[in-house]
This record gives sequence, structure tokens and C-alpha cells, in this order.
Amino acid sequence: DVKVTQSSRYLVKRTGEKVFLECVQDMDHENMFWYRQDPGLGLRLIYFSYDVKMKEKGDIPEGYSVSREKKERFSLILESASTNQTSMYLCASSLPGQGYGYTFGSGTRLTVV
Amino acid sequence: SQQGEEDPQALSIQEGENATMNCSYKTSINNLQWYRQNSGRGLVHLILIRSNEREKHSGRLRVTLDTSKKSSSLLITASRAADTASYFCATDRTGGGNKLTFGTGTQLKVEL
Repeated sequence: DVKVTQSSRYLVKRTGEKVFLECVQDMDHENMFWYRQDPGLGLRLIYFSYDVKMKEKGDIPEGYSVSREKKERFSLILESASTNQTSMYLCASSLPGQGYGYTFGSGTRLTVV
Repeated sequence: SQQGEEDPQALSIQEGENATMNCSYKTSINNLQWYRQNSGRGLVHLILIRSNEREKHSGRLRVTLDTSKKSSSLLITASRAADTASYFCATDRTGGGNKLTFGTGTQLKVEL
């Protein structure tokens, strides 16, 4: 069964810490995405990548960066965690081009205290 | 800004009834997709309808798309308690490069 795996289900970090959220997919998908999900706001796109070492800003990239050194791994980095980054983070992957759905990971619920 | 807006925000029905959820969007699209999310988990892709299609079926799911009104509906027939979840529409905007923009979702509760 195809899979997108997020390394942590729950995470608690302190304000100012550098936080790494890892995402690995086993489907050889070119496209990978990071979203955050907040009540009443739905899912908002943070960053995405269409290929190795390629990254593009989404709608809310401030305070985040990403790394894609290998095709299967897409990491989200919170440079200096803040309480307003407390959220559910969802990673997804897809085949390239139009007409393909996303496969999502189970999500990481991050709390910044 | 939200590309997709689902309506209603919440829906409660009895098992065996049909559930209808609507989605409106603002810009031209390549396709529209529906996803399900069980409580606190990741989203699961349900169905995709392209901009040149008007209706699509998958099992108990029926999706319609009206590009002139920029709206879509998801019908779940003969609902079951296991259908209890949040449902999201997502649009792949024309020229958007397969980046999906999600709505805020409809919470469906199916009671026994």
C-alpha cells in the first residue's frame, strides 16, 4: 500500500526552537507539499516541491523553510518556533501534471509552548 | 483567500439517508477534487472531476460540477456511520501547476 509517512504524530516544542518535520513517500512521486490546517481556515499551502532540490513558496511561507535533498523526502523547518505556529501539519505527494489526487500523511500536531 | 467554500459547515443525518455537500469556488479550474478526513487524521482522496466533465460516480459517491456557476456538489447515498468525517473540496486552478487550494470543509455526522 502506498504511503506518505510523517515522522511524528504529536510534537511539543518551546518558543524559539528550530523544529524539523519530516515527510517520506514511497511512491516515487515528483510533487510534494506541506500544508497547515487550522480550525475555520482549512488547509493552507506553506511550501511545495516539484523535484529534488526544487522548492516554491506557497501561500503562507513566512517563518518556514523546506529541504528536498532526495526525491522521497521533504522536510519542513520552523526556523524559530512561535506559538502562532501551533497547528496540524500535513504532508502530501502526487504525480506530476494535472489530474492526479494527493496522497496525504497522517499529520503532525505541533504545539509550541 | 479561500478558493473553495463548502456548504453547509456541518450536517447531521440518520444512517441510510443521503448527504449532500456543496462547494463554491472563485477562479477557473483544471479539476476539482473531494477529500475525506477522519478526526485528527490525514486527508483521503475520494474523487476527481475535470473541468470538462459534469458528473462523475464512484461507488456511493456522486459528484457534479457546474463551471458556469463555479460550484460542485458531493452526494453520498445510503450513508453509514463510518461516513462520519469532514469533507473538503479542493481546486486545481488553471495555471496553478497542480497546487490544490482547499476549502474549510463540511463536518458530516451520520447517526445510527
